[in-house]
Amino acid sequence: DAGVIQSPRHEVTEMGQEVTLRCKPISGHDYLFWYRQTMMRGLELLIYFNNNVPIDDSGMPEDRFSAKMPNASFSTLKIQPSEPRDSAVYFCASSRGDGYTFGSGTRLTVV
Amino acid sequence: SQQGEEDPQALSIQEGENATMNCSYKTSINNLQWYRQNSGRGLVHLILIRSNEREKHSGRLRVTLDTSKKSSSLLITASRAADTASYFCATDARTGTYKYIFGTGTRLKVLA
Repeated sequence: DAGVIQSPRHEVTEMGQEVTLRCKPISGHDYLFWYRQTMMRGLELLIYFNNNVPIDDSGMPEDRFSAKMPNASFSTLKIQPSEPRDSAVYFCASSRGDGYTFGSGTRLTVV
Repeated sequence: SQQGEEDPQALSIQEGENATMNCSYKTSINNLQWYRQNSGRGLVHLILIRSNEREKHSGRLRVTLDTSKKSSSLLITASRAADTASYFCATDARTGTYKYIFGTGTRLKVLA
């Protein structure tokens, strides 16, 4: 198994642009999580899905953020429009209901 | 919001020594997990302990849980330079939802 796959690994974009982060979970895992990590705020849970259905999006900072999971093997996190304060490492993780398997993250820099 | 707080924030030890990290949390839990994060990488799951368990072992790792004190500890015995990483505890909220909130982490440095 290749693990949780995230793309891109690095993204640099200008303020106001749309950013789309992608995640492929481990096959058979029915939970998928999006986290954001910054030095100031640590690891923050943004949203999680169970069987492709969003269960809790209370951590999504504002309407500029949206997440989808159209099928069991793919999820996206979109930021539109992006702002410098969105700069962070975004992690996707998947699980069968026990420990999480994290992807390597996407380092987003908004200039 | 419920969150684990690790203590100490940073720890520096010599190779071969034991490292102990502590986690305190605020509300009742079902499970508590520990993760390791190497610099620039994703988190790696180490161990999960359930609220009805008091101690678990995995190789050189020993985790304890004291639900009365709302605290957990992670002990790494005979540390190695490769153990240098940040260590996080994560707690669920006993609400029937499956989400974990991560603490602030302990940065461990093992000197060769």
